[in-house]
Amino acid sequence: SQKIEQNSEALNIQEGKTATLTCNYTNYSPAYLQWYRQDPGRGPVFLLLIRENEKEKRKERLKVTFDTTLKQSLFHITASQPADSATYLCALDSNSGYALNFGKGTSLLVTP
Amino acid sequence: KAGVTQTPRYLIKTRGQQVTLSCSPISGHRSVSWYQQTPGQGLQFLFEYFSETQRNKGNFPGRFSGRQFSNSRSEMNVSTLELGDSALYLCASSLAVGGSSEQYFGPGTRLTVT
Repeated sequence: SQKIEQNSEALNIQEGKTATLTCNYTNYSPAYLQWYRQDPGRGPVFLLLIRENEKEKRKERLKVTFDTTLKQSLFHITASQPADSATYLCALDSNSGYALNFGKGTSLLVTP
Repeated sequence: KAGVTQTPRYLIKTRGQQVTLSCSPISGHRSVSWYQQTPGQGLQFLFEYFSETQRNKGNFPGRFSGRQFSNSRSEMNVSTLELGDSALYLCASSLAVGGSSEQYFGPGTRLTVT
């Protein structure tokens, strides 16, 4: 069966450090992979999209890698700040191409 | 540009009733997707509409249905409500279908079934 796995344990890091979140998937052949941020009680907010033929993408303090051989994406936040504390979701397009399937997310807590 | 709006924001219903939720996408977006979010299951895909046609449906019973109008506004309906339908229902709009385009989410409708 298709699975998108994100670390269910919360990630606690100190302000200024780099946070690295992992997204692993099985039985998908995604052409696109996306990352979203969600704050409590609010809808997810789009952060980055990476295509299967792209190895890495950056936006300000964010970096995403996409390894289709390992079936894994890594999401990095450099120089993390307490305001980065949120749940981060990865999402893949379905094999049909007509749906976006989400992982359950990883909670990130950045402490001063 | 106005964001995605969803109405109502909060709803309390009784088992066996039905409910209709509404979503207005960002102007110019023709794709609308619906998701159910619960603490245990996370964000689960319900269905996606593009140009008034349902393009894909998630693994939910037939009690869950939706439609899209010519102005791209969308509604979803849940009939014969069950306690397990209590969740945050999120709608998202995008320029294209599937994963090729970023999705813009609304604030959600919090449905409680008693």
